[in-house]
Amino acid sequence: QQQVRQSPQSLTVWEGETAILNCSYEDSTFNYFPWYQQFPGEGPALLISISSVSDKKEDGRFTIFFNKREKKLSLHITDSQPGDSATYFCAASENTNTGKLTFGDGTVLTVKP
Amino acid sequence: AQTIHQWPVAEIKAVGSPLSLGCTIKGKSSPNLYWYWQATGGTLQQLFYSITVGQVESVVQLNLSASRPKDDQFILSTEKLLLSHSGFYLCAWSLNWGDDTQYFGPGTRLLVL
Repeated sequence: QQQVRQSPQSLTVWEGETAILNCSYEDSTFNYFPWYQQFPGEGPALLISISSVSDKKEDGRFTIFFNKREKKLSLHITDSQPGDSATYFCAASENTNTGKLTFGDGTVLTVKP
Repeated sequence: AQTIHQWPVAEIKAVGSPLSLGCTIKGKSSPNLYWYWQATGGTLQQLFYSITVGQVESVVQLNLSASRPKDDQFILSTEKLLLSHSGFYLCAWSLNWGDDTQYFGPGTRLLVL
């Protein structure tokens, strides 16, 4: 059973639009959720993260909305730019001192100019 | 500032041949270290983690082994490669045990023929 699910699998938006990437999880012990951005041929880079004590985290054009009751998160990218075209991974931590991160399958975002 | 280096950048190897991939962290003493595997277009799967020199824990069994010979070095290896070993290998580090923020290296692309 997949622990972290992402949707959509791929998303295309126009430059300037808001891209919304969704993530859901199964395990209620998950309490830390980082989002990573990965460009082809590169390692993932931490974009923004949120802990379960918050329902919103904002960093520039990137905002995470978190609904603990429904076990859902979403990443909003406002004023999308072609340079934002990448694969975005939602991850979740069990915080059980194992350092284990569980990743979703990713959303491929394409921003058209 | 911490830097993470992986070598080699890419490898093409024959089935049945041995493999050794390396990862070095500079600028941080006693980091927690992790190895991940990523299939082309796929998600990230944690393989090993290490919290100290000489100590490595396996997360999944993929006929691979890992070692930590120095505080700043993490090695992934196998004596006999399989076709299924092809993919992108990523080393990651985190600051403290239980700190769930992990930072990834640039990765090593492996193709097994």
